[in-house]
Amino acid sequence: GQNIDQPTEMTATEGAIVQINCTYQTSGFNGLFWYQQHAGEAPTFLSYNVLDGLEEKGRFSSFLSRSKGYSYLLLKELQMKDSASYLCAVLTGTASKLTFGTGTRLQVTL
Amino acid sequence: DTEVTQTPKHLVMGMTNKKSLKCEQHMGHRAMYWYKQKAKKPPELMFVYSYEKLSINESVPSRFSPECPNSSLLNLHLHALQPEDSALYLCASSQDLLGDFPYEQYFGPGTRLTVT
Repeated sequence: GQNIDQPTEMTATEGAIVQINCTYQTSGFNGLFWYQQHAGEAPTFLSYNVLDGLEEKGRFSSFLSRSKGYSYLLLKELQMKDSASYLCAVLTGTASKLTFGTGTRLQVTL
Repeated sequence: DTEVTQTPKHLVMGMTNKKSLKCEQHMGHRAMYWYKQKAKKPPELMFVYSYEKLSINESVPSRFSPECPNSSLLNLHLHALQPEDSALYLCASSQDLLGDFPYEQYFGPGTRLTVT
């Protein structure tokens, strides 16, 4: 089976940096996605990692270590609009099976 | 156009009703997906279609019946649902199934279903 864990909730201050961790135990790993989901809205794609290392996209960066079954999403220069749930999702198999982690609810405060 | 549309936005149905959810994309994507999301939980995969053929059914009860009439449309037919089936139903699409290259999945806004 698949097991994907994230912290349930995090709080950070506007302008700060926050790191959201994700650990996984899966079979047939093909990559790891990060999604942002505001309450009542659909998830939106943030980043993707298939090889070990850091991927940077503006204020967002994502890191992957396949040997450790570990990823993190780094958000810099936090803004109030970054308050949302952040979902780690692991891709397994050749048929696009995406299994989501439990999600981390981030609250950005003044 | 990177939009996936879903109708209706909200649906209330009784346990004896038959209804359908619709999903549409015009990005030329060949893979389409149905997910179910309960409140404060992550989305759970239900079905995957590739080139209009069902490629994954995650052991979903038969009261949910997917249909892909063409490459742009995906339906989910509902019959004899239970109150515990109340959830947000999300449709997504991607350029193709993921193999050597991970395609991004685009999600629609979802249909919020309430079964009474």
